[in-house]
Amino acid sequence: NAGVTQTPKFRVLKTGQSMTLLCAQDMNHEYMYWYRQDPGMGLRLIHYSVGEGTTAKGEVPDGYNVSRLKKQNFLLGLESAAPSQTSVYFCASSTVISFYEQYFGPGTRLTVT
Amino acid sequence: ELKVEQNPLFLSMQEGKNYTIYCNYSTTSDRLYWYRQDPGKSLESLFVLLSNGAVKQEGRLMASLDTKARLSTLHITAAVHDLSATYFCAVHDSQEYGNKLVFGAGTILRVKS
Repeated sequence: NAGVTQTPKFRVLKTGQSMTLLCAQDMNHEYMYWYRQDPGMGLRLIHYSVGEGTTAKGEVPDGYNVSRLKKQNFLLGLESAAPSQTSVYFCASSTVISFYEQYFGPGTRLTVT
Repeated sequence: ELKVEQNPLFLSMQEGKNYTIYCNYSTTSDRLYWYRQDPGKSLESLFVLLSNGAVKQEGRLMASLDTKARLSTLHITAAVHDLSATYFCAVHDSQEYGNKLVFGAGTILRVKS
């Protein structure tokens, strides 16, 4: 099993550009999450999904959109990137079988100039 | 709204010494998780604590949960350099749908030889 994978690993955007981050998991997990990690602030939840075709807002959703068309994939979109979105983005997934323990992907380091 | 507070935020220890990291949270919860993060890496699950009085141990790390006090501790015994990392607690938000976790800000642990 590859677990949770994220594409790309690094990206540099100019202000106003758009991009999509892809998260894929091969563990058949129902729940998937997108977080951002900034120094000294722990992880903050952006959006999450409790199943295919369903998404919901987390703590810091502004400026981001998500889609979960397939159970194994969770996409995070930035329509018009801003310097405040410079961060490390982590995707995670979980399932009831493992007591909703979240398994994390390797992260995407995004810089917006 | 669930708030999670870790302390200390930074801990510099001598090898061989013992210390405890504290994780306090503000509202009732039934599950708590501890994660480790090495610099530039993703989060790795350490412990899943599911009930009041739960205690888990792995090597030099021991975690416990007191749901009545809304407190979890991560105890480090006879620290070694390899334990240097950032440690996060994450609390299940029982008030919200989606099996969401709220993360503490993290404790940066440096073990000096």
